[in-house]
Amino acid sequence: ETGVTQSPTHLIKTRGQQVTLRCSSQSGHNTVSWYQQALGQGPQFIFQYYREEENGRGNFPPRFSGLQFPNYSSELNVNALELDDSALYLCASSASGSYNSPLHFGNGTRLTVT
Amino acid sequence: AQTVTQSQPEMSVQEAETVTLSCTYDTSESDYYLFWYKQPPSRQMILVIRQEAYKQQNATENRFSVNFQKAAKSFSLKISDSQLGDAAMYFCAYRSGYANFGNEKLTFGTGTRLTIIP
Repeated sequence: ETGVTQSPTHLIKTRGQQVTLRCSSQSGHNTVSWYQQALGQGPQFIFQYYREEENGRGNFPPRFSGLQFPNYSSELNVNALELDDSALYLCASSASGSYNSPLHFGNGTRLTVT
Repeated sequence: AQTVTQSQPEMSVQEAETVTLSCTYDTSESDYYLFWYKQPPSRQMILVIRQEAYKQQNATENRFSVNFQKAAKSFSLKISDSQLGDAAMYFCAYRSGYANFGNEKLTFGTGTRLTIIP
């Protein structure tokens, strides 16, 4: 069973640039969620994708957007990067609708905005 | 909106001893789930234990158990026989039981850093 994989592991960007983070879901999972974890904080929910559509969004501006592909992998795109976007971005997958399938997380992408 | 509070930023315990991490939450819902996740330096969030709000019996997973007090909105994690590998950040998390299909967000607390003293 392949777990959740994220790429890249680390990334450094300049303020104002755009970034794309990638996530491959665990085999058999159809839902992908993205979380932002600032230093010393708990993860904050960004949004969730189910059947290639955004289905639930946290308190994040529209410059945070995403995609889910037919193979259930996903991308997180952030436009017009700000210094406060520096954080660990976690992807999680699950088999939606089943409580017995809790979220499985990847190792995250560490984004630094300078 | 639901909130999750972890009031202990750091805790330490002697190896082989028992430690309890605290978590309180606020919600107006009656159907929900609670979780404890562990985040070691590898950064991956690992599910430790989960509890359904409708179950009165406290969940147990090997050395990990919870004390779920629904009326007090308290959900503490007890780790028995602490091991060096238990050192990590521990996060308490809430999930609504009314979540729509495909909308199952977790609300996390700020975490407790657990150190194991050899």
